[in-house]
Amino acid sequence: DGGITQSPKYLFRKEGQNVTLSCEQNLNHDAMYWYRQDPGQGLRLIYYSQIVNDFQKGDIAEGYSVSREKKESFPLTVTSAQKNPTAFYLCASSNLDSLNQPQHFGDGTRLSIL
Amino acid sequence: QQQVKQSPQSLIVQKGGIPIINCAYENTAFDYFPWYQQFPGKGPALLIAIRPDVSEKKEGRFTISFNKSAKQFSLHIMDSQPGDSATYFCAASSSGTASKLTFGTGTRLQVTL
Repeated sequence: DGGITQSPKYLFRKEGQNVTLSCEQNLNHDAMYWYRQDPGQGLRLIYYSQIVNDFQKGDIAEGYSVSREKKESFPLTVTSAQKNPTAFYLCASSNLDSLNQPQHFGDGTRLSIL
Repeated sequence: QQQVKQSPQSLIVQKGGIPIINCAYENTAFDYFPWYQQFPGKGPALLIAIRPDVSEKKEGRFTISFNKSAKQFSLHIMDSQPGDSATYFCAASSSGTASKLTFGTGTRLQVTL
């Protein structure tokens, strides 16, 4: 059935290491999003992409990078420049064929520092 | 700058009670207001959404009330059940912004027996 798959579910990062979080969707959605969730702060937008090979920074893009080489895939790299990477990362997707389409979320990746 | 303020941070009600969660926004360009429900270890799931041309929307036991002049909207859960225990997020977006959502900080709801 259709949905969004995030992997891995848990990830540990060493100091100075870059790690990549996977997000795949089979909903044929145009847009994809990455959010970071911290306790008491809700969800904050890191990056989003409306079309293949194009993406825009969200509110907290520093220390992160993304790519959108395929419509169904939107991986997020947490670089060593992100000094506080411990958080729950959520990927979402939505259609853009009409206004205000709902976003559908994956079940997240929890990233921790070793 | 927090553009969507949500309260309370946590809420405990007895089974059958009617928890109410409130949100206020600042950006008058917002024209879509969804509510999401999130269980531990899971991603948020869309619960109900409203646009500013209506003042109320009901879906099952969930109701959104919307006050455009006050720039406020709220979620009411009728006949709450222990299975409703979750974190609830309000959000807002404006047309033409790639459906980018601005989220409130969340309300952790516990429904006791």
